[in-house]
Amino acid sequence: GENVEQHPSTLSVQEGDSAVIKCTYSDSASNYFPWYKQELGKGPQLIIDIRSNVGEKKDQRIAVTLNKTAKHFSLHITETQPEDSAVYFCAARNFNKFYFGSGTKLNVKP
Amino acid sequence: IAGITQAPTSQILAAGRRMTLRCTQDMRHNAMYWYRQDLGLGLRLIHYSNTAGTTGKGEVPDGYSVSRANTDDFPLTLASAVPSQTSVYFCASGVAGTSYEQYFGPGTRLTVT
Repeated sequence: GENVEQHPSTLSVQEGDSAVIKCTYSDSASNYFPWYKQELGKGPQLIIDIRSNVGEKKDQRIAVTLNKTAKHFSLHITETQPEDSAVYFCAARNFNKFYFGSGTKLNVKP
Repeated sequence: IAGITQAPTSQILAAGRRMTLRCTQDMRHNAMYWYRQDLGLGLRLIHYSNTAGTTGKGEVPDGYSVSRANTDDFPLTLASAVPSQTSVYFCASGVAGTSYEQYFGPGTRLTVT
């Protein structure tokens, strides 16, 4: 099956700085790569996603890039705010199944 | 519109007991999923269903069973609970075949003693 690795496991940034979280996947057949934000005690919430036929997608302060050749994709958050503090998960869809990274705990310091 | 609901919110269960976690969605999504979330391991797929009447195994299906009798409900059953099944369980739904997006429920925290 697919294997998704996510780095770093924790990330601390100053408010207003940018944050970057990276993921790699192993199976070139994976075709959809979502990112989720999970706040304490809640279920994951989809924040942005990208399909394998697209290299970059942006939604306000959040962007995702995909490099199919290298099999890695990244989440970029600009102008971070304290409310961005949460755990972020990447995932890859592979033949109807989703495989998740182990998560990144983002702490945005005011 | 409630989205996805899960019940119970939390449960303490004695080892060896049978337990069914309930999941209901009102978005008419054809696909539904069950995940478990353990500290440091992210979410792992237990079982999924692409449409009513069909189910499939995920990464960690052993010890769990599911059924999909209709579009809205996707119960997860632990036939004989073991302590290693202590986890937070999330149900999700989506539109398989088109957008691929998944929407998650609030989770069930299960402790097996």
